Amino acid sequence: AQSVTQLDSQVPVFEEAPVELRCNYSSSVSVYLFWYVQYPNQGLQLLLKYLSGSTLVKGINGFEAEFNKSQTSFHLRKPSVHISDTAEYFCAVKAGGSYIPTFGRGTSLIVHP
Amino acid sequence: NAGVMQNPRHLVRRRGQEARLRCSPMKGHSHVYWYRQLPEEGLKFMVYLQKENIIDESGMPKERFSAEFPKEGPSILRIQQVVRGDSAAYFCASSPGGADTEAFFGQGTRLTVV
Repeated sequence: AQSVTQLDSQVPVFEEAPVELRCNYSSSVSVYLFWYVQYPNQGLQLLLKYLSGSTLVKGINGFEAEFNKSQTSFHLRKPSVHISDTAEYFCAVKAGGSYIPTFGRGTSLIVHP
Repeated sequence: NAGVMQNPRHLVRRRGQEARLRCSPMKGHSHVYWYRQLPEEGLKFMVYLQKENIIDESGMPKERFSAEFPKEGPSILRIQQVVRGDSAAYFCASSPGGADTEAFFGQGTRLTVV
């Protein structure tokens, strides 16, 4: 079975500060990992994905994430956030060849001026 | 290449009516997923379909809910005899298939049951 835990339901941060959104997954087999962003009243948009290779993955809008197999984590980071980054962020996993992504509950990033 | 298209964007139904949600996948995609989103609960998987086949419906309630993805036309999620608890955002996603591919999402249908 695969599951995802996003430990923080809400992360407030000031503009231009760095941010880290945490994601831990539960799976004993190989995984594919994804981060999506959802703006209000919109669908989900892919930020980045880890399939294999380098554990540091760079995505759109200046975001990056690091796959850590020993910690079963895939935390999302941005060195300097903008007001426009205010949104809901979802971590997702596909494990053991599954075609169905399982999503975390989401983290609401709130960027204050 | 148009993205995943869902319609309607907003749907209001009275209790006991039927709701039909439509999803046209991206061109070339033969795999469709339906998810339900409730506030503070994230995305809950409902059903996974390929053309003319339901592959996994483990997340879909056994009663009142059904889904199809016919050879021609959009995927349909049907909710019969809606109740207030069915009010939610329903998202469709599509992919070309393969465990290493991402799902592309539509903008969702927001169902309100009054």
